Amino acid sequence: AQSVTQLDSHVSVSEGTPVLLRCNYSSSYSPSLFWYVQHPNKGLQLLLKYTSAATLVKGINGFEAEFKKSETSFHLTKPSAHMSDAAEYFCVVTENSGGYQKVTFGTGTKLQVIP
Amino acid sequence: DAGVTQSPTHLIKTRGQQVTLRCSPKSGHDTVSWYQQALGQGPQFIFQYYEEEERQRGNFPDRFSGHQFPNYSSELNVNALLLGDSALYLCASSLFQGGTEAFFGQGTRLTVV
Repeated sequence: AQSVTQLDSHVSVSEGTPVLLRCNYSSSYSPSLFWYVQHPNKGLQLLLKYTSAATLVKGINGFEAEFKKSETSFHLTKPSAHMSDAAEYFCVVTENSGGYQKVTFGTGTKLQVIP
Repeated sequence: DAGVTQSPTHLIKTRGQQVTLRCSPKSGHDTVSWYQQALGQGPQFIFQYYEEEERQRGNFPDRFSGHQFPNYSSELNVNALLLGDSALYLCASSLFQGGTEAFFGQGTRLTVV
């Protein structure tokens, strides 16, 4: 069975400090993993994706994530938070099974950036 | 490339009414998925359409139905609206072969009163 766990529902950081949003997954097959960001009352924007190439993935706006198979983790990081990073972040896992693509969202992590 | 477009952006309906939401996928994509996102929650998968057929379905009642047209655009229909159907409805387009990201529209905010 496929599942995604975002370990923190809320994360608060000061502007200019590092960001760490944690995501663990389980999958029976070789998954693809994604991070999406959602600003208030907006749709979801792709930050980055892992699809079995390099395990360290760089995304937009200075975000990156590292796929660690042994830990079944795909944590999102950024060296220095900006006020505009305040949003909700979703970790997503997809796998192809039986010809179908199954997509599972995490419950989301709200990032607050304190000036 | 216009990306994924959804219409309308906002909608207010009365309990018991029916609603149709529309989605045009990103150019080159052949698969459309619909999600319901209640306030403060993550998106919940409703169903996915490919080649004009419903391919997968989440845990939603039959009041939720859909359609995909030959040009890959899609509609989501909800009958007998309940107050609990109030949510942001997101459309995502992708390639059926998978391994690629889904692109999301801005959503339709449905309010049932």
